Amino acid sequence: DTAVSQTPKYLVTQMGNDKSIKCEQNLGHDTMYWYKQDSKKFLKIMFSYNNKELIINETVPNRFSPKSPDKAHLNLHINSLELGDSAVYFCASSQDLAGGLLGQFFGPGTRLTVL
Amino acid sequence: GQNIDQPTEMTATEGAIVQINCTYQTSGFNGLFWYQQHAGEAPTFLSYNVLDGLEEKGRFSSFLSRSKGYSYLLLKELQMKDSASYLCAAMDSNYQLIWGAGTKLIIKP
Repeated sequence: DTAVSQTPKYLVTQMGNDKSIKCEQNLGHDTMYWYKQDSKKFLKIMFSYNNKELIINETVPNRFSPKSPDKAHLNLHINSLELGDSAVYFCASSQDLAGGLLGQFFGPGTRLTVL
Repeated sequence: GQNIDQPTEMTATEGAIVQINCTYQTSGFNGLFWYQQHAGEAPTFLSYNVLDGLEEKGRFSSFLSRSKGYSYLLLKELQMKDSASYLCAAMDSNYQLIWGAGTKLIIKP
């Protein structure tokens, strides 16, 4: 049983296109996140949702828009893709904002390549 | 500002012990996390410290000193499968995780 799943796993697209990445967790967690990990492997928080409410919205371009239809899902839509958007995007979830004693559970990642 | 410092890369020998250090500076503090990330995979949770002292979990232990803003991850009886990046992350007063850039650990036979 997959705890945090993301689709697609790989995404190759042209500059200027719009794309979405979907994330679902079946852990019953209240909090979900989107991270970007670039080629230098630095993990940067993009968004955080708690009970479907946006909590953290780091300085990311407004071309990135998260949507949480319910507690189990947090999708990421990206408009007008740019070369610099190429990275691995991780979805994660945690029991609550504090992370609990088990920390955050990460999805397998979506490797986005913009040509 | 908030930041995390940890070494970029370390090398150790199979069967040995290695200690990965992490210093942090955050606005408030709600705990220190260690994650393991194998190449091409997602990070996985290893440990959580919020009180000073040592937490032991099998071959892995994590230490925290809040007064010094310092933590370390200790890996014993190293195995080849321990080759990975180890990420230190501190949680600030807003429950936001501040991540380090990770320490790439190379294990040699």
